[in-house]
Amino acid sequence: DAGVTQSPTHLIKTRGQQVTLRCSPKSGHDTVSWYQQALGQGPQFIFQYYEEEERQRGNFPDRFSGHQFPNYSSELNVNALLLGDSALYLCASSLRTSGRVYEQYFGPGTRLTVT
Amino acid sequence: GENVEQHPSTLSVQEGDSAVIKCTYSDSASNYFPWYKQELGKRPQLIIDIRSNVGEKKDQRIAVTLNKTAKHFSLHITETQPEDSAVYFCAASIRRGSTLGRLYFGRGTQLTVWP
Repeated sequence: DAGVTQSPTHLIKTRGQQVTLRCSPKSGHDTVSWYQQALGQGPQFIFQYYEEEERQRGNFPDRFSGHQFPNYSSELNVNALLLGDSALYLCASSLRTSGRVYEQYFGPGTRLTVT
Repeated sequence: GENVEQHPSTLSVQEGDSAVIKCTYSDSASNYFPWYKQELGKRPQLIIDIRSNVGEKKDQRIAVTLNKTAKHFSLHITETQPEDSAVYFCAASIRRGSTLGRLYFGRGTQLTVWP
């Protein structure tokens, strides 16, 4: 049973560039949430996708956008990168059944460095 | 929105001693409280969770207690071992409704267990 996978593992970008991060949820899961974890901090919620729609969003600008595909995998896109976007980006998958969300499992993350 | 406070930020104990990490939350609608362990450079791993209809839950050397009235919950690790050394995050979530599944994290506790 495959767990949550993310790609790429590491990424270095220049300010102003755009980046796309990818996530495949744990087998059987249908909901994907994205979190940003700055160094020494707890993860901060970016947004959540279910049934290919953004269901809720944290306090992040429109430069952060996402997508969910029919196979439940997801992408996180960040435009016009800033130095402050440097962080570990975590994807978490869960199963949303009968209006309840169960345990969330995290992927290994993508370490993004903006120079 | 929800605000989760976590203390202490660092904790050092001798192998075999107990460790306690405490968290408070602000939103009385929060009803699910997971704890994650994150080793250096690795993904957060769910180690135990508790729902608001339960006051205490135990899994081998790990236990979590919840006081809904006071809005605080704690992680207890007994007979600590060097491999327990990691950053521990508490989180709170409302498992139903429009904020379904969004996790609000504390800032983390760096636990070091000395042999």
